[in-house]
Amino acid sequence: NAGVTQTPKFRVLKTGQSMTLLCAQDMNHEYMYWYRQDPGMGLRLIHYSVGEGTTAKGEVPDGYNVSRLKKQNFLLGLESAAPSQTSVYFCASSYSIGQGSSGANVLTFGAGSRLTVL
Amino acid sequence: QKEVEQDPGPLSVPEGAIVSLNCTYSNSAFQYFMWYRQYSRKGPELLMYTYSSGNKEDGRFTAQVDKSSKYISLFIRDSQPSDSATYLCAMSSNLNDYKLSFGAGTTVTVRA
Repeated sequence: NAGVTQTPKFRVLKTGQSMTLLCAQDMNHEYMYWYRQDPGMGLRLIHYSVGEGTTAKGEVPDGYNVSRLKKQNFLLGLESAAPSQTSVYFCASSYSIGQGSSGANVLTFGAGSRLTVL
Repeated sequence: QKEVEQDPGPLSVPEGAIVSLNCTYSNSAFQYFMWYRQYSRKGPELLMYTYSSGNKEDGRFTAQVDKSSKYISLFIRDSQPSDSATYLCAMSSNLNDYKLSFGAGTTVTVRA
């Protein structure tokens, strides 16, 4: 059981280049997310999806686009990379456990994709 | 001001010590509180979660929530070198709120 798989793990881009980060989950989760993690900033939500064919903006969506054509895949695209997009990107999927006062939305994260934009 | 504040540390303790981590928050609507552990160059993994105020214990780990003070804590007893990691608090207002608010994370090193 692989969980959440991200590709590529590392990538170096030049300013203005484009690329796509791929995320796949095999847990049949409805919800998927893309976060970026920067020193001192914690995890910030870029885009998320609550089901196949749906996407929504998170906290820091500018400069990124996403697609969820299949339930198990969530793609993050950078159309014109900028040095400010140098970061570690995490994909996650989630399910809800318990109910009511015993419940929680549990995220399962991938191992991360380190992107450097020169 | 960030919605969730967490002291980034770093925190260095000897093996066997009690580690105390905490977060403060400003949104009084938060009801679900989680702690994630992240080892170096890995993704975060859920460690514990609690609902509303109170304590929850799981082995060497205890999570506390004080909603009146908007303050949550994680205690690690008898700390081990394998506990060396970054600990992130996260919270949400309801079960179906998919957008968790994360703290910046506290890096902990347990010295053998």
